[in-house]
Amino acid sequence: ILNVEQSPQSLHVQEGDSTNFTCSFPSSNFYALHWYRWETAKSPEALFVMTLNGDEKKKGRISATLNTKEGYSYLYIKGSQPEDSATYLCAFYTGGFKTIFGAGTRLFVKA
Amino acid sequence: DADVTQTPRNRITKTGKRIMLECSQTKGHDRMYWYRQDPGLGLRLIYYSFDVKDINKGEISDGYSVSRQAQAKFSLSLESAIPNQTALYFCATSDFPSYTGELFFGEGSRLTVL
Repeated sequence: ILNVEQSPQSLHVQEGDSTNFTCSFPSSNFYALHWYRWETAKSPEALFVMTLNGDEKKKGRISATLNTKEGYSYLYIKGSQPEDSATYLCAFYTGGFKTIFGAGTRLFVKA
Repeated sequence: DADVTQTPRNRITKTGKRIMLECSQTKGHDRMYWYRQDPGLGLRLIYYSFDVKDINKGEISDGYSVSRQAQAKFSLSLESAIPNQTALYFCATSDFPSYTGELFFGEGSRLTVL
């Protein structure tokens, strides 16, 4: 059974704190690893789509790394802001129709 | 306007009623999906369609049916709703060919079955 685990389930930080989340996934049948940002009542939107072992991607204060051999990815947020409050979903794409989602990490950033 | 639009956004219904959730997209993608989100769980695939004539069951299709009316439209039906179908439902699309499988989501349809 293919499983994607995300930790922590939720996180409360103060504005300005830096934080990171973990996604672990199977090390076989790998095509891509997705990070989605999901704000309540909005569409989940892709932050990063990573395909190569060792990939590091950055978008503003948010960055992600990928290790396909050991099956993990980290998402980092530097200097968290209240607008970063959202659920961050990790998804493992195995090709064709199959994308396996983690349960998400819910981030709360207090001003 | 959103590229992937779901209607209704919220619906409360009673056990035994028939419900249809609709999805339309302007992305021009052939592939469309219906997912279900429950608290504490990852999104789970209900049905997917790779083109108008191609409909496939996902991991949790029991109690659901779908219709692909056109490339841009994909509807999910609950023939006789039951309380454990209370959930947030997402429609999504993806491009083909795609080596990354990136999904493009609607805003979700929250269904409550009493």
